[in-house]
Amino acid sequence: SQTIHQWPATLVQPVGSPLSLECTVEGTSNPNLYWYRQAAGRGLQLLFYSVGIGQISSEVPQNLSASRPQDRQFILSSKKLLLSDSGFYLCAWRGISKGSEKLFFGSGTQLSVL
Amino acid sequence: QQQVKQSPQSLIVQKGGISIINCAYENTAFDYFPWYQQFPGKGPALLIAIRPDVSEKKEGRFTISFNKSAKQFSLHIMDSQPGDSATYFCAASKAPTGFQKLVFGTGTRLLVSP
Repeated sequence: SQTIHQWPATLVQPVGSPLSLECTVEGTSNPNLYWYRQAAGRGLQLLFYSVGIGQISSEVPQNLSASRPQDRQFILSSKKLLLSDSGFYLCAWRGISKGSEKLFFGSGTQLSVL
Repeated sequence: QQQVKQSPQSLIVQKGGISIINCAYENTAFDYFPWYQQFPGKGPALLIAIRPDVSEKKEGRFTISFNKSAKQFSLHIMDSQPGDSATYFCAASKAPTGFQKLVFGTGTRLLVSP
């Protein structure tokens, strides 16, 4: 069965420090992968998606970047964190379940930038 | 740009009552409307989804009602239970980019009181 791993679960970082969040998927090949951010009152905001190795689409201009160095690995990065980068970051992959498309989300990373 | 508007922001329902969450959209190209359920500290999970060729879809106690002319869709939870307490997100996506750009509403925090 397919599983998605995301770490760390929580992270507290000072302003101006770098960031690296990692997401890996098991049990599937060439998945479509996504990074979402959940901020209070703003729902789930799509940050990046990737349809293959080295292929990244950015949805919003921001202080973050994403990379996909391997088929089942998706990394969210920042060189210098801002206070506004605080939020709950979710990795997801697109799959088919019971004949319907769905996003399978990881358990998320709660990032606090202080 | 908020393309899917969700209301209410929060909702309190007594056990056994009906919970109703509404969403509205502007883009008539949207052709897929899922609802996701999220428990605290977890990633969202697909609850139920509908396409615009039907006006209603029911799965157990959960029903999506879809009004294409009004560009609105809603989630009804019958016989609400304390275990239904969670945050619910509506979403929409459109051709030709389809699933890649699933746009989420801002979420509704539901509390079902015992």
